[in-house]
Amino acid sequence: GDSVTQMEGPVTLSEEAFLTINCTYTATGYPSLFWYVQYPGEGLQLLLKATKADDKGSNKGFEATYRKETTSFHLEKGSVQVSDSAVYFCALSDRSNDYKLSFGAGTTVTVRA
Amino acid sequence: DTAVSQTPKYLVTQMGNDKSIKCEQNLGHDTMYWYKQDSKKFLKIMFSYNNKELIINETVPNRFSPKSPDKAHLNLHINSLELGDSAVYFCASSHSGGRGYEQYFGPGTRLTVT
Repeated sequence: GDSVTQMEGPVTLSEEAFLTINCTYTATGYPSLFWYVQYPGEGLQLLLKATKADDKGSNKGFEATYRKETTSFHLEKGSVQVSDSAVYFCALSDRSNDYKLSFGAGTTVTVRA
Repeated sequence: DTAVSQTPKYLVTQMGNDKSIKCEQNLGHDTMYWYKQDSKKFLKIMFSYNNKELIINETVPNRFSPKSPDKAHLNLHINSLELGDSAVYFCASSHSGGRGYEQYFGPGTRLTVT
């Protein structure tokens, strides 16, 4: 079945540091890939997505590239802010699974001033 | 103009009780979902409805019963609550049948069973 593996947290960074969160997946079909973010006490929001190989999703300074050859979708941001403190989830959806979202375990990121 | 709303936001109840959580979306989507997030933040889908028809029913105890009176609403009823049901429950909605359609999540309902 489909699954997503994310690097474990928690991750603690200083402001303006570089952030990378690794994400790899296994899927029976050709999935779409997503990064969702959950700020404290809130629901999940879509951060970015990519629907085919070599697509790059980007939003709010975050980027991730769909790498089919390595089955990866790593999230990066060049300079984090305190407001980026949140839990980040990598996810995939696949037609073979009725497009339900399969999530990674989530990575808690804390950015210190 | 909240996109996906859930009520209540917090629910504290005792073991053995029956409770319901309501979800409404005003995005015109035809598919709605329930997810459970445990204390370690792990998210797992429970149910999915498309045009009021159940299309995904993961391995969930039959004490949990979703009901979709129309495309804009998906409620979750839980019978005989147990301690292990304590979690945050998220409703979500999306368009159906296409690659890359994102899901929009509600703010969550924190259920605490004592």
